[in-house]
Amino acid sequence: AQSVTQPDIHITVSEGASLELRCNYSYGATPYLFWYVQSPGQGLQLLLKYFSGDTLVQGIKGFEAEFKRSQSSFNLRKPSVHWSDAAEYFCAKGNEKLTFGTGTRLTIIP
Amino acid sequence: KAGVTQTPRYLIKTRGQQVTLSCSPISGHRSVSWYQQTPGQGLQFLFEYFSETQRNKGNFPGRFSGRQFSNSRSEMNVSTLELGDSALYLCASSNYMNTEAFFGQGTRLTVV
Repeated sequence: AQSVTQPDIHITVSEGASLELRCNYSYGATPYLFWYVQSPGQGLQLLLKYFSGDTLVQGIKGFEAEFKRSQSSFNLRKPSVHWSDAAEYFCAKGNEKLTFGTGTRLTIIP
Repeated sequence: KAGVTQTPRYLIKTRGQQVTLSCSPISGHRSVSWYQQTPGQGLQFLFEYFSETQRNKGNFPGRFSGRQFSNSRSEMNVSTLELGDSALYLCASSNYMNTEAFFGQGTRLTVV
């Protein structure tokens, strides 16, 4: 079965610091990969997606992610976090049916 | 363009009752998917409909069912509610290419 692993349950970073959230996926022939963000009590907002082509993808809110087939990874990065980035982040794989990781809760300290 | 609309936002039901949740997709989107989110199990896929046909189904008991109407609006029904059905139910819509899913705000169901 397809799976997505987010090894970090909770990450705390200082405002202005860089961020990297990890995501590993089980191999699939065409890994459609996504990162979503969820604020408390809200739905999911798509940050970015990877289907093919350039392995470094840019998303909204200054986020980017790099697809590394050799490592089965799709890590999310941001060079400088803002207090408003505090939320839960989900990595997902699939198209008609998404398989989600367990999420990483991001806390920002001033 | 209006986003995905889910109604109601909050529901409280008693064990044994049934419930129907509604989802209106983005205009022009023909695929609607449903997900259950709980603290213990995370986000789990329930089912996906495209042009009124169920294309994919997750690993949930038969108490969970859904349907899609000709205008692409979708409903999901849970019968004989159990305490463990308490969750945030999220609906997502996609265009025919399924290139990305847009999620609604969700319906928070509490079973008491």
